[in-house]
Amino acid sequence: SQQGEEDPQALSIQEGENATMNCSYKTSINNLQWYRQNSGRGLVHLILIRSNEREKHSGRLRVTLDTSKKSSSLLITASRAADTASYFCATAGGSNYKLTFGKGTLLTVNP
Amino acid sequence: DAGITQSPRHKVTETGTPVTLRCHQTENHRYMYWYRQDPGHGLRLIHYSYGVKDTDKGEVSDGYSVSRSKTEDFLLTLESATSSQTSVYFCAISESMVGLAGVRNEQFFGPGTRLTVL
Repeated sequence: SQQGEEDPQALSIQEGENATMNCSYKTSINNLQWYRQNSGRGLVHLILIRSNEREKHSGRLRVTLDTSKKSSSLLITASRAADTASYFCATAGGSNYKLTFGKGTLLTVNP
Repeated sequence: DAGITQSPRHKVTETGTPVTLRCHQTENHRYMYWYRQDPGHGLRLIHYSYGVKDTDKGEVSDGYSVSRSKTEDFLLTLESATSSQTSVYFCAISESMVGLAGVRNEQFFGPGTRLTVL
């Protein structure tokens, strides 16, 4: 069964705007990860946030984690057309070597 | 794609035929995974391996078998392909290290194999 659930399923914005995607999960986790998938390609790891962390930054990416609400958000600032892709959250629970992926958010950044 | 190749990249086959997909890595990572990706279902784990000759089932393993005789190769076999197995198949690898900063278990994905079963 899917652990993570992304919201919204699809998001369309203009270049330069910020994009926020959310992920909710059901059980306790060791860490939560975000991945990007460009059309026709494999997933690419973006960022990992541990269960004892609340916020993490990487370039234009900002990830937050609220374990009390079992939710995470991914913020992409100053979006570019090249950010157009599907974004997935993945959770690592009791089994450290297995991840459970959500169904993804399709982000379209219009030039 | 982090030293991961998948072959073939595209395959069209007929119902009832056997199909084998190959994943090859040059990273010497311990863990290897096979996923399938379908619209509306996201990414679902089929089988995974935690070492040579050590494999286990994922959430959608029915109709699939795997083998890992070498660290670098992980094979996915559809013994008798069905139309419901039409999908995009991804291989992934991971090292799953536990360090001072906690668990690092990012996965690195191959380019995918698009399989069509007619």
